[in-house]
Amino acid sequence: DAGVTQSPTHLIKTRGQQVTLRCSPKSGHDTVSWYQQALGQGPQFIFQYYEEEERQRGNFPDRFSGHQFPNYSSELNVNALLLGDSALYLCASSRTTWRGGMNEQFFGPGTRLTVL
Amino acid sequence: AQSVTQPDIHITVSEGASLELRCNYSYGATPYLFWYVQSPGQGLQLLLKYFSGDTLVQGIKGFEAEFKRSQSSFNLRKPSVHWSDAAEYFCAVRSYNTDKLIFGTGTRLQVFP
Repeated sequence: DAGVTQSPTHLIKTRGQQVTLRCSPKSGHDTVSWYQQALGQGPQFIFQYYEEEERQRGNFPDRFSGHQFPNYSSELNVNALLLGDSALYLCASSRTTWRGGMNEQFFGPGTRLTVL
Repeated sequence: AQSVTQPDIHITVSEGASLELRCNYSYGATPYLFWYVQSPGQGLQLLLKYFSGDTLVQGIKGFEAEFKRSQSSFNLRKPSVHWSDAAEYFCAVRSYNTDKLIFGTGTRLQVFP
């Protein structure tokens, strides 16, 4: 089991550009969540995808968008990059149960985005 | 609003010493609580979790945590720290109906030989 994988590992962009980050969930998982972790901070929830739809969203602007594919993998897109978008972007996968029980999230190693 | 506070930004201990990392949460109902560890260049690894039952929870790598409702705390403990425990530790809370995790700002643990 490969666990949660993310690509690329590192990325450097300039202000105003657009970026796409990718995530493959752990085998058997159908739900993907994205978090932004700024330097020296805890991860902040961006949004969550389930059944190819955005199910929940944190306090992030519309410049942040996502997508989930039929194979449950996911992309995070950020448009019009700002210097403040520099951070570690973490993907977490989980399995949604019908009871809404506690679904443990497994995290990937993250993508380090630097905006110059 | 739900929140998590980790009062200690940085803690230094000697190898073999005991450890306690503090976590306080703000949440109206019974929370789901987690402790994660993050090593440099790695993602978050779950150490332990609490959602009901016994208030003393055992986790991996010899860690344990105790849920105290009266103090809104969920402190992480280890009786004897190893050099490999040096990392960043995050406490998190999750509400019942969502998968959204709210993290504290983390505590960096440094271990001296």
